[in-house]
Amino acid sequence: AQTVTQSQPEMSVQEAETVTLSCTYDTSESDYYLFWYKQPPSRQMILVIRQEAYKQQNATENRFSVNFQKAAKSFSLKISDSQLGDAAMYFCAYRRGGANSKLTFGKGITLSVRP
Amino acid sequence: ETGVTQSPTHLIKTRGQQVTLRCSSQSGHNTVSWYQQALGQGPQFIFQYYREEENGRGNFPPRFSGLQFPNYSSELNVNALELDDSALYLCASSLGGADTGELFFGEGSRLTVL
Repeated sequence: AQTVTQSQPEMSVQEAETVTLSCTYDTSESDYYLFWYKQPPSRQMILVIRQEAYKQQNATENRFSVNFQKAAKSFSLKISDSQLGDAAMYFCAYRRGGANSKLTFGKGITLSVRP
Repeated sequence: ETGVTQSPTHLIKTRGQQVTLRCSSQSGHNTVSWYQQALGQGPQFIFQYYREEENGRGNFPPRFSGLQFPNYSSELNVNALELDDSALYLCASSLGGADTGELFFGEGSRLTVL
């Protein structure tokens, strides 16, 4: 069974600084996706960034980038130039490749941003 | 493009009662999945519907059931409610078969069981 582990329950970052959120996963599949979702107090899960396992290049979306280490099964999220609006819960998630497969989430990390 | 909408946003029930939660999928999406998110935890997969058929189920008892309608909207039904059923229930839609990997979530229904 696939598992996703986020071992840091909380992190704090100063506005405009950079923060890295950690995630590890376990799978025997070769075809899969990894995601970081943001969940603000409004509760809606918002996709931050996605990484396809077959791609060696790390995904980047504006201020958000990942460090995907496939052999180590590590998938960390780096947030640059942190903004107050980045404060939220962040979930790392895994999905096996192929149509209609489920998402497996980690427990999440609460990120606070200090002004 | 209409996003995923869920109703009701909040509700309170007592133990033993039954509840129905509703979800309208994003326009053009034919797959709906439901997740249970307990307070302070990550979402847990309940089940998924593709073109009106259940095609995946997580580790939830049979009192959790669902439906998907021809317009691809969906319902989650929970019978014989227990205190541990108190949670945020999230619906997500996707375009099954496209395998883009991405799910689009609604804002959830917060269920409290007293």
